[in-house]
Amino acid sequence: GENVEQHPSTLSVQEGDSAVIKCTYSDSASNYFPWYKQELGKGPQLIIDIRSNVGEKKDQRIAVTLNKTAKHFSLHITETQPEDSAVYFCAASWLTNAGKSTFGDGTTLTVKP
Amino acid sequence: EAQVTQNPRYLITVTGKKLTVTCSQNMNHEYMSWYRQDPGLGLRQIYYSMNVEVTDKGDVPEGYKVSRKEKRNFPLILESPSPNQTSLYFCASSHRAPGYTDTQYFGPGTRLTVL
Repeated sequence: GENVEQHPSTLSVQEGDSAVIKCTYSDSASNYFPWYKQELGKGPQLIIDIRSNVGEKKDQRIAVTLNKTAKHFSLHITETQPEDSAVYFCAASWLTNAGKSTFGDGTTLTVKP
Repeated sequence: EAQVTQNPRYLITVTGKKLTVTCSQNMNHEYMSWYRQDPGLGLRQIYYSMNVEVTDKGDVPEGYKVSRKEKRNFPLILESPSPNQTSLYFCASSHRAPGYTDTQYFGPGTRLTVL
């Protein structure tokens, strides 16, 4: 089955700096790669996603890049703010077994004011 | 308001006492899924349902049962809970399955402790 590895597990940055979280996946058939943000005591919430036919997607301070050849995708947060502090999860899904979804282990991001 | 609700939010129980965690969505979503979250292990899929009366195993289905008799509800049943099922559980739903590139909406979570 699919395996998703996420790095780093913890990340601490200064307010205003950029943060990058990377995920690698094993199944080349994977076609959908969402990123979720989980704040303390809440369920994960989608912040950005990318489909396999797209190399990059941006939404204000957040961007995701996908390298299908290397089988990795990354979350980029620019001009970080304290409210960006949370746990971030990547995930991968694939059409041939559409109901399944594999998540990375999560990255705890701390933005220091 | 579009949402996924779970009940109870917190539960402490004892080994072997059957319990049900309910999940309901008001978005008319076809797809629903259950995950457990454990420290350092991310979210692991327990069961999912592509539509009413259609359910299938995820990566960690042992010790769990589900049913999907109505579109809006997807209860998680632990027939004989054990301490290794102590975890944080999330229900999620989406219009179509994630493999069709659809976004999942998550509930607030249920923290279960089995003594």
